[in-house]
Amino acid sequence: EAQVTQNPRYLITVTGKKLTVTCSQNMNHEYMSWYRQDPGLGLRQIYYSMNVEVTDKGDVPEGYKVSRKEKRNFPLILESPSPNQTSLYFCASSFRPGGGYTFGSGTRLTVV
Amino acid sequence: TQLLEQSPQFLSIQEGENLTVYCNSSSVFSSLQWYRQEPGEGPVLLVTVVTGGEVKKLKRLTFQFGDARKDSSLHITAAQPGDTGLYLCAGVNTNAGKSTFGDGTTLTVKP
Repeated sequence: EAQVTQNPRYLITVTGKKLTVTCSQNMNHEYMSWYRQDPGLGLRQIYYSMNVEVTDKGDVPEGYKVSRKEKRNFPLILESPSPNQTSLYFCASSFRPGGGYTFGSGTRLTVV
Repeated sequence: TQLLEQSPQFLSIQEGENLTVYCNSSSVFSSLQWYRQEPGEGPVLLVTVVTGGEVKKLKRLTFQFGDARKDSSLHITAAQPGDTGLYLCAGVNTNAGKSTFGDGTTLTVKP
């Protein structure tokens, strides 16, 4: 089944403890992207990647890092999480930008 | 930062009614997408429109891309309770790789 898999689905952590949210797609898509979704603010793009080893900032990249060492994986790294990063995070992929995204099921992160 | 404004923000209607959701921007997009999202799940793509003036139909849903590629609309005919959900539009600039989502329209269709 073609899908984007995110892990974990739920995560509660403490301020300052580094964490990684994994994202993997099995559709050989070149384009991948991370979003956060907050009430009243909609989906905001954090980082995106046009291909392996090519990443770029979205609209809200502060406090996040990404890497794209392999085509299928695009992990999101929070080096020192803070409470304002409490949110619902989605990873998405597509054959090309603008081609329509396939989203993962989301990761609900709470930072206390 | 490009902005996409969706209206209305909330819509509650009876089964069988028609409705239209609007997505407007002052910016031009290479393509525009519509998604439907259910609670606790990721958005699911409904349609992508790429040509100014384009109209696409998906059963009871009709999508239109504005001539200037700055706006779009989603029209649902004879809404059903299964149409309930959050509808999101997203504008994409292909070369830049950036995408911008509207804040969404929460649709409730009552039986």
